Amino acid sequence: QVQLQESGPGLVKPSETLSLTCSVSGGSISSYDWGWIRQPPGKGLEWITNIFKNGDTDYNPSLQSRISITIDTSKSQFSLQLKSGTAADTAVYYCARYEDRGFDYWGQGTLVTVSS
Amino acid sequence: QSALTQPASVSGSPGQSITISCTGTSGDVGGYPWVSWYQQHPGKAPKLMIFDVRSRPSGVSDRFSGSKSGNTASLTISGLQAEDEADYYCSSYTSSRSWVFGGGTKVTVL
Repeated sequence: QVQLQESGPGLVKPSETLSLTCSVSGGSISSYDWGWIRQPPGKGLEWITNIFKNGDTDYNPSLQSRISITIDTSKSQFSLQLKSGTAADTAVYYCARYEDRGFDYWGQGTLVTVSS
Repeated sequence: QSALTQPASVSGSPGQSITISCTGTSGDVGGYPWVSWYQQHPGKAPKLMIFDVRSRPSGVSDRFSGSKSGNTASLTISGLQAEDEADYYCSSYTSSRSWVFGGGTKVTVL
């Protein structure tokens, strides 16, 4: 059973970089594709980015200039960086496995607040 | 990219069937056979219910079914049960090599 766990600071100051890590267990991180999705409090889901097993990446066009996704197979982790944070980036951030063109395993989510 | 359009709420009585629509454009829903649906209970992570328009992951009840016509996809829940009360989100692949979600639909079991 694949399990994912997000980790990172719960509070980020405006204009600073939001950095999150997703730890994967119960399966080989190298064998699958992975992604990040966020959900502002009380609002809907927003896809952020995917990273594929071949190293390719896809980004949300509205966030592309500020985001990057990387993977560390030796640690079985993948990470998200979102630069120049604003209050609009306050959300629960989920990491998930991308399989068969759907996100089939999700982490529990971590709330990140952008505030001074 | 604009969010897909879903009704804010849908309700039904136990045992009834309900359908949630998800309207996009030819650049997303209408252009690709890659629409998925997610169920989200309060405070929980979303759960994949349908992928590739109509396929169900292992373990998902066959009371959930998906379909698509033109730029509109639909999720039907038959034999509505109390546990089906949740938020539901559609998602589609887009011509921008990205994924877009709908605004979400709150399903209430009366």
